[in-house]
Amino acid sequence: QSALTQPASVSGSPGQSITISCTGTSSDIGGYNSVSWYQQHPGKAPKLMIYDVGDRPSGVSNRFSGSKSGNTASLTISGLQAEDEADYYCSSYTSSTSWVFGGGTKLTVL
Amino acid sequence: EVQLLESGGGLVQPGGSLRLSCAASGFTFKNYAMTWVRQAPGKGLEWVSVISGSGDRTYHADSVKGRFTISRDNSKNTLHLQMNSLRAEDTAVYYCAKVVATYYDFWSGDYPNWFDPWGQGTLVTVSS
Repeated sequence: QSALTQPASVSGSPGQSITISCTGTSSDIGGYNSVSWYQQHPGKAPKLMIYDVGDRPSGVSNRFSGSKSGNTASLTISGLQAEDEADYYCSSYTSSTSWVFGGGTKLTVL
Repeated sequence: EVQLLESGGGLVQPGGSLRLSCAASGFTFKNYAMTWVRQAPGKGLEWVSVISGSGDRTYHADSVKGRFTISRDNSKNTLHLQMNSLRAEDTAVYYCAKVVATYYDFWSGDYPNWFDPWGQGTLVTVSS
């Protein structure tokens, strides 16, 4: 199972919006709604930010939103804040009864 | 509060074995599938293994199949990962996580599932 494709890095200024894409295939993203997004700060464990494509866990800011179209999922962060600077990973369930992650995207808040 | 605490990591020689554990608390452990995800130094996340709540279903990534075995002890609320024939490329931080789904029988993929929460991780270093 090949990793999902994410941009290596994205950046934005405080207050701006950014979108991180995550491209897979019909055997993962395109075939299931089990798309989730995780935030990871340096030296810390990943934290769930989005599940079921576009749902937010309680406690996660509504500045975070997710969507999916075909084989591509997207994470949008609006009103960028310094604390959003982190690595972001997408994940999907697959037809092989397994999970696959994206390579990760480093978000820099300028 | 749900808590997951990994242990058992350390330095091991190539070809050696190690057993990781993940102690769970704050939820009914037997009702949830559990998973292991690893992260090599400076690299991304890689899914490793999953086990059903009852332990009757297990799946492993191709990269560890035949070498790693996931298991659980529901009487002790503990998840394990037995790692044999370790290689340098197995060097990573290993995280355990709870698999959450909208329906308990999510294996067909008809019901969304995700990992939450994650433990703090335990470092495994395979080197001579």
